[in-house]
Amino acid sequence: GAGVSQSPSNKVTEKGKDVELRCDPISGHTALYWYRQSLGQGLEFLIYFQGNSAPDKSGLPSDRFSAERTGGSVSTLTIQRTQQEDSAVYLCASSPGLAGVGEQFFGPGTRLTVL
Amino acid sequence: SQQGEEDPQALSIQEGENATMNCSYKTSINNLQWYRQNSGRGLVHLILIRSNEREKHSGRLRVTLDTSKKSSSLLITASRAADTASYFCATVDVNTDKLIFGTGTRLQVFP
Repeated sequence: GAGVSQSPSNKVTEKGKDVELRCDPISGHTALYWYRQSLGQGLEFLIYFQGNSAPDKSGLPSDRFSAERTGGSVSTLTIQRTQQEDSAVYLCASSPGLAGVGEQFFGPGTRLTVL
Repeated sequence: SQQGEEDPQALSIQEGENATMNCSYKTSINNLQWYRQNSGRGLVHLILIRSNEREKHSGRLRVTLDTSKKSSSLLITASRAADTASYFCATVDVNTDKLIFGTGTRLQVFP
């Protein structure tokens, strides 16, 4: 079946503009994660959705970042008033249930470049 | 925030040699997972070891876990050029259920 998909694959924007990044998880997966990865670095946790529970937003770096997950499926990560330091690859992952149960399935990522 | 550190940060070996990567973490965990990443994009899950397990094998991969030392190792035997990638460990914190990644090891296997 289809894996996790993300769009766009690449996004170039000007400083100060807003961007929306989309993630389509694997159907039926209740958990969805967003991570950020700067060039040559590890993955930085951003936000975690699990079923109908309130999302864990503890990783969001500032109030310019927000995310929604509609209907327990598609998620959108929004970055307002983008800054150059926001440039990174944004990765989405989903899993069938709690992280304590098993693996996460990753999308290909969105490479964001803020000029 | 990142859970822990991996070492070495970079490793270069010849085809046929074994590659060992180490991961240390800080909190009590439910399980520990290893992932592989090619070309800075999506990650692929390799293996999961639960907190009550000490060793696990999958093909040419061998993972160990020492919860008393809060450390794990990934051994890739008989390496191939196609194993060239970045390898990340990730731990599931028992309290938060979040999967937190280490800093990664960049492996280069020369033919």
